[in-house]
Amino acid sequence: KAGVTQTPRYLIKTRGQQVTLSCSPISGHRSVSWYQQTPGQGLQFLFEYFSETQRNKGNFPGRFSGRQFSNSRSEMNVSTLELGDSALYLCASSLAGGSAQPQHFGDGTRLSIL
Amino acid sequence: SQQGEEDPQALSIQEGENATMNCSYKTSINNLQWYRQNSGRGLVHLILIRSNEREKHSGRLRVTLDTSKKSSSLLITASRAADTASYFCATDADSGGSNYKLTFGKGTLLTVNP
Repeated sequence: KAGVTQTPRYLIKTRGQQVTLSCSPISGHRSVSWYQQTPGQGLQFLFEYFSETQRNKGNFPGRFSGRQFSNSRSEMNVSTLELGDSALYLCASSLAGGSAQPQHFGDGTRLSIL
Repeated sequence: SQQGEEDPQALSIQEGENATMNCSYKTSINNLQWYRQNSGRGLVHLILIRSNEREKHSGRLRVTLDTSKKSSSLLITASRAADTASYFCATDADSGGSNYKLTFGKGTLLTVNP
């Protein structure tokens, strides 16, 4: 079975631009979660989607948004990029979500803001 | 606030030795998970332990959970150089009852010297 695929792997943007990151979950997985990882703040939860519905959201500004498609693929968008948005963005999938299931992570998209 | 906090932040041992990492959290949980992350890669799920369980084993890994002390430990026995990685605990303590949000600690960086 193919693992979680995130594209692109690396991205360089400038302040004020916007960016869209993509995540393809493991086949059959309907839950997709997104995390931001930085050296200072560690891993922080962004949001979780299941069957195209956002079920939970972390404490991030409205510039961070996401969506999930009917095939469970998910995208996250960050608008008006700031230097502090430089991070590794990880997505994880599981069958139905929830803390009772292991999450399967992709290798992330490393976003650098200049 | 960080619900899962690992201790120590860094640990350096020799191959063949055992490594113990601890995780503390602040509020009640349903489940606790441990993950490993190699540098620049995504997280890999290791073990999930439920709040009504006290101990779980998987190969060279042993996880204990003490809900009265709100803490968990991960023991890696007979460590190998390939075990060098960051280790994170994750709980649903901050999920507002929804169970769909995992909160990660900042991790323990384990270095196993050959």
